[in-house]
Amino acid sequence: NAGVMQNPRHLVRRRGQEARLRCSPMKGHSHVYWYRQLPEEGLKFMVYLQKENIIDESGMPKERFSAEFPKEGPSILRIQQVVRGDSAAYFCASSPLGTEEFFGPGTRLTVL
Amino acid sequence: ELKVEQNPLFLSMQEGKNYTIYCNYSTTSDRLYWYRQDPGKSLESLFVLLSNGAVKQEGRLMASLDTKARLSTLHITAAVHDLSATYFCAVDIGGATNKLIFGTGTLLAVQP
Repeated sequence: NAGVMQNPRHLVRRRGQEARLRCSPMKGHSHVYWYRQLPEEGLKFMVYLQKENIIDESGMPKERFSAEFPKEGPSILRIQQVVRGDSAAYFCASSPLGTEEFFGPGTRLTVL
Repeated sequence: ELKVEQNPLFLSMQEGKNYTIYCNYSTTSDRLYWYRQDPGKSLESLFVLLSNGAVKQEGRLMASLDTKARLSTLHITAAVHDLSATYFCAVDIGGATNKLIFGTGTLLAVQP
């Protein structure tokens, strides 16, 4: 059973471009969480999704950020018009029943 | 708002010594996690503590949970260089989301 997969592992964008981060949960997991880790800090919750539903987006910035988890395919975290402050590691985690979360390898976003 | 505080933030210790990392949190929770993170890597789950008085041990690491005091400890026995990493505690706030609130992290450097 493959673990949580994220791609790309590294992403470089210039200011103003869009960043799309993908997360494929573990097989059988229908709950997905996104966390952001700024340099030298802990992880901060962004959003919690189940298939086709956003359950809790209390950690998402109000503008430029969106997330989805469609019926088919991976979960996508989308950042529009990136700024330097968006540079961070973005981790996805999945769980089968909203209990223990299993983390992916992360996507490291660098905004030039 | 739930706060999770770890101390110390940085710990330099010699091989063979013992030490304890503390994790305090500000609201009730019945589930606490400890993770290890190596530089540039994802999170490795170390322990899941589910109830008051829970104690778990794996190798040189032992974790405990006191839900009444809202305190968890990660004890390191006879440290070795391979334990050098950043350690995070994370509290599950339960409810409808089970999202995790992470501590600030403790950077452990074990010197030969």
